[in-house]
Amino acid sequence: QKEVEQNSGPLSVPEGAIASLNCTYSDRGSQSFFWYRQYSGKSPELIMSIYSNGDKEDGRFTAQLNKASQYVSLLIRDSQPSDSATYLCAVVLVGGSEKLVFGKGTKLTVNP
Amino acid sequence: GAGVSQSPRYKVAKRGQDVALRCDPISGHVSLFWYQQALGQGPEFLTYFQNEAQLDKSGLPSDRFFAERPEGSVSTLKIQRTQQEDSAVYLCASNGVGRETQYFGPGTRLLVL
Repeated sequence: QKEVEQNSGPLSVPEGAIASLNCTYSDRGSQSFFWYRQYSGKSPELIMSIYSNGDKEDGRFTAQLNKASQYVSLLIRDSQPSDSATYLCAVVLVGGSEKLVFGKGTKLTVNP
Repeated sequence: GAGVSQSPRYKVAKRGQDVALRCDPISGHVSLFWYQQALGQGPEFLTYFQNEAQLDKSGLPSDRFFAERPEGSVSTLKIQRTQQEDSAVYLCASNGVGRETQYFGPGTRLLVL
């Protein structure tokens, strides 16, 4: 089992809809979780970080963390074509130095 | 302030050549990370420095890969005797003391022919 798993997609939503991206992780002790957005040919850009169970909102983005279920998600409200990108879930593992362990990414397309 | 910078942005090497990739982290960031990203995959950890100390090199795929950060700022990732499977984007990231958020540079796209 990979340490961080994401549905690779692609995920396609119409403009204005809610896009839901999901991620599960294997290390029950993990404490730090990140969502990065990566446009084609570009480097990852931080969207959200979350450390506590529950929801964290920033503009149109909401990260949700459930440590008991080892599950973290990202919701994008009012999706825009400019949100079309690959979304990477990343986790800092317990005892794994400070390195990020990434999922494979979910490719999101928002259709005008 | 300036972000993480990397050079060169693109590198084409013939199989067997040695290459050196440079990373200039955000000023004051003590931690520096190298990742390798193959096409269609998420970044994979290679190695990690705290100041000049290489604290984790568990992700380096072979002894052909070597990284250094002699003065605790700029880092160089060296790949000796490049192979086609080394073709990937090499990403550098840094973060500050007590901060886990890593900021990525633009990457170096390496193509080994």
